[in-house]
Amino acid sequence: RKEVEQDPGPFNVPEGATVAFNCTYSNSASQSFFWYRQDCRKEPKLLMSVYSSGNEDGRFTAQLNRASQYISLLIRDSKLSDSATYLCVVNNYGGATNKLIFGTGTLLAVQP
Amino acid sequence: ETGVTQTPRHLVMGMTNKKSLKCEQHLGHNAMYWYKQSAKKPLELMFVYSLEERVENNSVPSRFSPECPNSSHLFLHLHTLQPEDSALYLCASSQEGSVGSYEQYFGPGTRLTVT
Repeated sequence: RKEVEQDPGPFNVPEGATVAFNCTYSNSASQSFFWYRQDCRKEPKLLMSVYSSGNEDGRFTAQLNRASQYISLLIRDSKLSDSATYLCVVNNYGGATNKLIFGTGTLLAVQP
Repeated sequence: ETGVTQTPRHLVMGMTNKKSLKCEQHLGHNAMYWYKQSAKKPLELMFVYSLEERVENNSVPSRFSPECPNSSHLFLHLHTLQPEDSALYLCASSQEGSVGSYEQYFGPGTRLTVT
């Protein structure tokens, strides 16, 4: 079983749509969670951290369910500029340092 | 703009060449990382340096040799690479401390092609 699993997509949605991405992780001891965004041929950039209580940043909402080891990202009112690969990332503290485990990413294509 | 820079941005090398990738972070962080990103695969952690000490070496072949002369600079020395080593090599940095959710910030990467 992969440490972090995501649906690779692609998700093709029209502008203005709401889209949700899901992610599961295998290590129940994982301590913190993130969504990163990666544009084509660019580096990953932090989109948002994910907290147990859920958190929202504008059109983006992240949720964490520790019991089910499940993370989600909801994007409302999709824009063309949201087209990218969204990476689910889990932080396993390894004693000496933080160790990020990346999913393969979910590709989102927002259509005009 | 990113506080992590990488050079070169693109590199084509033969299997017998020796080259080095350079990374510099301007964020005052105390940990630096090398990742490999191949097509259709998740980012793979290669090396971690915390306070200039190597704390992680993820079974990377010896043809990849990291060097961290200080907390702001990280190198990846390459020699006798194989075509399957062609990938995007990403450097990242973070501020390490006690257990927490410290984010990592990535450089733009070096796209390496081994011919």
